[in-house]
Amino acid sequence: GAVVSQHPSRVICKSGTSVKIECRSLDFQATTMFWYRQFPKQSLMLMATSNEGSKATYEQGVEKDKFLINHASLTLSTLTVTSAHPEDSSFYICSAPNPSGGNEQFFGPGTRLTVL
Amino acid sequence: GEDVEQSLFLSVREGDSSVINCTYTDSSSTYLYWYKQEPGAGLQLLTYIFSNMDMKQDQRLTVLLNKKDKHLSLRIADTQTGDSAIYFCAETLFNDYKLSFGAGTTVTVRA
Repeated sequence: GAVVSQHPSRVICKSGTSVKIECRSLDFQATTMFWYRQFPKQSLMLMATSNEGSKATYEQGVEKDKFLINHASLTLSTLTVTSAHPEDSSFYICSAPNPSGGNEQFFGPGTRLTVL
Repeated sequence: GEDVEQSLFLSVREGDSSVINCTYTDSSSTYLYWYKQEPGAGLQLLTYIFSNMDMKQDQRLTVLLNKKDKHLSLRIADTQTGDSAIYFCAETLFNDYKLSFGAGTTVTVRA
C-alpha cells in the first residue's frame, strides 16, 4: 500500500515555543491530508483537513491560529503547533486518502509531542 | 467519537479467538473499518466492510456487520501475542473521507 511518513517521530519542546510536524506521502500525491490528535488511551480526534492549494478546514473547537496547517505541495502537509503549552502534549497522526480511490486512508506513524 | 462505541478492554488466551465489538449510530455509514495500533505507532488498516455486506473474511480475520442493529464485530482466530494492540473501529459516510473513530479496544493476549 501507499506510504505516509511523519517527521519528527518524537519532539520535546519548552512551553511557549512552536513546533512543526511534517506529513509526507512518499510514493503518491495527496491533494487532501488529515490531521488527528490522540490523547493517551483515547480515540483519534480529527483536527483538520489539509487541502493543497487552499486553506485548511478545521473541525469545531480546534483553534486555527494555534494549529497552523500548510499544504505546501502535493506530497507535503505541515502542522505547526504555535506557542505550545503542556496541554498540547499529545500524539499527532496524519493520514492521506488512497490515491486509487475508495474510502481507505493511509496513516502516518505519528508524532509524539511533549511540551515541558 | 461519541457516534462509535467500543468496549475498552479484552483479555484473551493465546490460541483462542478474540471478538471485538463496536456499535455505531449513523445509518448513513458507508464503510466500516477496523484499524490496529501498536504501542507508540500509527494506525494500520486491518480490514473494512462496505455497508451492503454482512460478512467479510480475510485469513484469520472475520468481520460481521448487523446493519439493523448497527453492530460491527471483528473476530481474530487463533490469537497470537503479536495481536496485542489497540483496535479501533471507524466509519465514514458516502463520498466523505472523514473517519469517526471509536475509543479503541485494548486487546491483551496472555500465554
